[in-house]
Amino acid sequence: ETGVTQTPRHLVMGMTNKKSLKCEQHLGHNAMYWYKQSAKKPLELMFVYSLEERVENNSVPSRFSPECPNSSHLFLHLHTLQPEDSALYLCASSQDAGPGGTEAFFGQGTRLTVV
Amino acid sequence: AQSVTQPDIHITVSEGASLELRCNYSYGATPYLFWYVQSPGQGLQLLLKYFSGDTLVQGIKGFEAEFKRSQSSFNLRKPSVHWSDAAEYFCAVGTSYGNKLVFGAGTILRVKS
Repeated sequence: ETGVTQTPRHLVMGMTNKKSLKCEQHLGHNAMYWYKQSAKKPLELMFVYSLEERVENNSVPSRFSPECPNSSHLFLHLHTLQPEDSALYLCASSQDAGPGGTEAFFGQGTRLTVV
Repeated sequence: AQSVTQPDIHITVSEGASLELRCNYSYGATPYLFWYVQSPGQGLQLLLKYFSGDTLVQGIKGFEAEFKRSQSSFNLRKPSVHWSDAAEYFCAVGTSYGNKLVFGAGTILRVKS
């Protein structure tokens, strides 16, 4: 079983729908992240959670709502998205988000298409 | 703010040839540097990382990278490329706080037989 698992792998949703992306890590890490990967753009950090507390919100629109109920699970709730939100959403985890960089382990991503 | 530049969007090499992917970073303090690889439809896999110490770091799959502070570079190399190395490669810099990685735009590697 991979260390970081994301579901679903693919999602197509209308602009008025509400859906959620799920991420689960089996590595015992304390920090989890959401990244957005759009075509022809660098990966963008969206949110950082450390010990279930949000420590970073990179000016992400409120139509994206993260939730971290425990250190192993991270959700991204989506509502009233726009077509430009179509992208690959990557979840990652690391041992911690404190001083000193530690490597991040990524899930396989959810390919989101907004129609 | 930190930034990462990967000047080559696409690179094509012949199988068995050597490879060098360029990465330049901008960061005021000692950086934490990473190379990740992404195969189509997949997430990112860590190839190697530099935190401190020896400036030449070895990674998985026969890759290595050299940190050159004077040039603000962290180029990725492999002496002999295999067809399975075809993928997109991302250089990233991490800050002294947290794992808020900043990624370059990526370099797509194509391997021709």
